[in-house]
Parts: sequence; C-alpha cells; structure tokens
Amino acid sequence: DIQMTQSPSSLSASVGDRVTITCRASQSIRRYLNWYQQKPGKAPKLLIYAASSLQSGVPSRFSGSGSGTDFTLTISSLQPEDFAIYYCQQSYNTLYSFGQGTKLEIK
Amino acid sequence: EVQLVESGGGLVKPGGSLRLSCAASGFTFSSYNMNWVRQAPGKGLEWVSSITTSSAYIYYADSLKGRFTISRDNPKNSLYLQMNSLRAEDTAVYYCARGQYQLQGLNYYYYMDVWGEGTTVTVSS
Repeated sequence: DIQMTQSPSSLSASVGDRVTITCRASQSIRRYLNWYQQKPGKAPKLLIYAASSLQSGVPSRFSGSGSGTDFTLTISSLQPEDFAIYYCQQSYNTLYSFGQGTKLEIK
Repeated sequence: EVQLVESGGGLVKPGGSLRLSCAASGFTFSSYNMNWVRQAPGKGLEWVSSITTSSAYIYYADSLKGRFTISRDNPKNSLYLQMNSLRAEDTAVYYCARGQYQLQGLNYYYYMDVWGEGTTVTVSS
C-alpha cells in the first residue's frame, strides 16, 4: 500500500498569509496526486488534481506542485473561507489512499 | 444539477448488516466510475471501495477484509454498499463520490470530483 503523510498536521495562519502544506508518498506516484478541502460538517471538495491542475471554479490563489514522492499545496493569500482541513490523495494505484489531513486554523 | 444523495445509514448492532445507497442525478451515471469514502468521528478520510462503469473491476481497502460489497445499478442511477459483520470501528459518515478521468499527455489522471453529503452509520450495542 502507498502511505501518504502530510505536514504539518495543523497550522495557524492569518488572513493574507501565504501558506504551504506538504504531502509525501511512501513511493513514487509520479503526478497522481489530488488535493481536497473539507469544512466542518461538509463533504470534501476537490481543489487540485494531477498534482497541479486547478479544478474548475477553484480560486487561483490555490496551486499545487510536485512529482514523485513530494508535493505541496500553496494558498497564496489566505481568505477567511480557506480555514478548513486539507487532504492529499494518491491515484497512482487503485487503493486511493488519503493523507491524514492538515487543519488550517485562524491565528 | 449534478448531485449524489446517500441514504441507508443508521444505528446497527455489532455483527449486523446495513445497505447504503447513493442516488445519482444530473449526469450520465453509467459513464463514470464510482467510489465510497468514509470518515470516522473526528478522523480523516478513508477510501473504502471503487467500482468501474460496467462493474467489471471492483476494488476494496485491505482493512475491510471482505465484509463490504460495492455494486451499482446503471439503469437506476444508483450505487450501493452492502456492509456485513459490522464493527464499532465502522462507525463513520459514508460518502459516495464520482470518479473522473482527465487525459494529460499519455496519462489518465483519476480524481473524485463530485461528492454526496454523506450518510451516518453508527455501530453500537
């Protein structure tokens, strides 16, 4: 199985900050990496697929990068609605494992 | 409007069974792979199972040990998850999600682009 590890597990930041979340795979997954955002009591929402492709309707302040085993999700200027939990997910094989999540909180 | 609506959750005793349903609308259901993902209280997302368009290929998380069965009925635009021998650790919100492929270069990238709101399963005596 491919293990996905996110860091940090939680992060405090202020509106307007630039924030980076990291996801590491236990083996190379090339660019088969997705990012989701989840708010309390809501379903996950797709942000980024194929490591860096922005899902339709997602603000351009979100961006993704990386390949192989190391990936990042960057929010260029945090907005109040961005405080949520973020998950990475690999789709390199059909056991579509998720990272443990990164909780982004208001400082 | 593209929509997925889960149902069938509830309270069940350990060892019991439950069948979840997911009703799809607003898109051609038979053209998409479908998935179940769960989330235990206060925990992260856990992929459960996936099924291809014609049910030819089915995948499960190793942790389920053969207790769950995914299926679909394309004419009814419905996805199902039969859960047997339920345990306390199966307590979670269960989401169905549509699978999408995007071709970039020579590679097909898979992601889950539409999610339902979830149905809650509680396993307790």
